[in-house]
Amino acid sequence: GNSVTQMEGPVTLSEEAFLTINCTYTATGYPSLFWYVQYPGEGLQLLLKATKADDKGSNKGFEATYRKETTSFHLEKGSVQVSDSAVYFCALSDLSGNQFYFGTGTSLTVIP
Amino acid sequence: NAGVTQTPKFQVLKTGQSMTLQCAQDMNHNSMYWYRQDPGMGLRLIYYSASEGTTDKGEVPNGYNVSRLNKREFSLRLESAAPSQTSVYFCASSEASTGRNTIYFGEGSWLTVV
Repeated sequence: GNSVTQMEGPVTLSEEAFLTINCTYTATGYPSLFWYVQYPGEGLQLLLKATKADDKGSNKGFEATYRKETTSFHLEKGSVQVSDSAVYFCALSDLSGNQFYFGTGTSLTVIP
Repeated sequence: NAGVTQTPKFQVLKTGQSMTLQCAQDMNHNSMYWYRQDPGMGLRLIYYSASEGTTDKGEVPNGYNVSRLNKREFSLRLESAAPSQTSVYFCASSEASTGRNTIYFGEGSWLTVV
């Protein structure tokens, strides 16, 4: 079946540090892969996505590359800011597009 | 840019009471979803609707009912609320036509059952 496993948190970093949040997936075929971000008291917002192998999604300084050989979609940012403090969810959609599978979320806190 | 709108944002219920969470989307999406979010458990799918007139159970459907009123609206009903249903509920929608689509979320409904 389809599933997503992401790095457990919480993660605490100093401002301007490098961020990596690991995400691996199990799926049939070639799913689309996503990273969502949730700020306190809000819903999930799309951060970036990739729809085929070797695609790189990017937004707001965050990047993730769809690696089919390692079934991974790790989230990276070169220099985090306090405003990046949030919970990050890795997700995939199956080939039908009707089902989405989410990781359990990784809480990130960036301290000045 | 309304997107996905859900109401109410906050609600406190007594055990055994009933209530309906309302959700509407203005993106002309075919698929709509209800998730619950609990600490340490991520998002769990309660029910989804792939198109108007159809609904299907997700991972945790017990204690809930849904209605896809039309293409825009998808409601979630708790017939007899229990403390275990204290959670944050999210409605979402997607186009779901090609498997390459994005899911969009509402802002959440915080429900406490006492």
